Amino acid sequence: GNSVTQMEGPVTLSEEAFLTINCTYTATGYPSLFWYVQYPGEGLQLLLKATKADDKGSNKGFEATYRKETTSFHLEKGSVQVSDSAVYFCASPANQAGTALIFGKGTTLSVSS
Amino acid sequence: DAGVIQSPRHEVTEMGQEVTLRCKPISGHNSLFWYRQTMMRGLELLIYFNNNVPIDDSGMPEDRFSAKMPNASFSTLKIQPSEPRDSAVYFCASSSSRGRSNQPQHFGDGTRLSIL
Repeated sequence: GNSVTQMEGPVTLSEEAFLTINCTYTATGYPSLFWYVQYPGEGLQLLLKATKADDKGSNKGFEATYRKETTSFHLEKGSVQVSDSAVYFCASPANQAGTALIFGKGTTLSVSS
Repeated sequence: DAGVIQSPRHEVTEMGQEVTLRCKPISGHNSLFWYRQTMMRGLELLIYFNNNVPIDDSGMPEDRFSAKMPNASFSTLKIQPSEPRDSAVYFCASSSSRGRSNQPQHFGDGTRLSIL
């Protein structure tokens, strides 16, 4: 089956700093890739997605580009805010046949003012 | 629009008791997923249903866990008997798969379960 590996945290940044959270995947073919965000006490929410190679997903100032040559889908934001403090998960379908997703272990981001 | 609704939000019970977690997926979604989240193991898929039929239950830890989906708008996850190591946050998620794996999942707010 497919797998995703993301950098371990925690990541601690000051407001307005640049953010990168690395995610790499192993898969058969070119599956869709997702970033989810989990705020304290809540469930996961879809942040952005890319459905094919070279696609760029973006939302709320976050971006990630699906790069097949490096099998990566790194999450970036140019200027983080305190409200971005959360846990971020990279995800892809578990295999070609099913609809289940497999998630990375999550990266905790803490942004201070 | 109503999202995925889980109940209860919090459950505290003693070891050995039966625990039932409930989930109402988003109307029109045909795939439903149960996850468990702990600090040690992260987010684990327990079981998922497609069109009310269990497709993969390989993540269910042991026979003490069971899940049902009697209709398209309701699912339960039951633990009997419960043990302290079952303490975790349990999430339900749903998606509209349409037979494709690129559809996002929508999560409920979870049930925080504590077994004493």
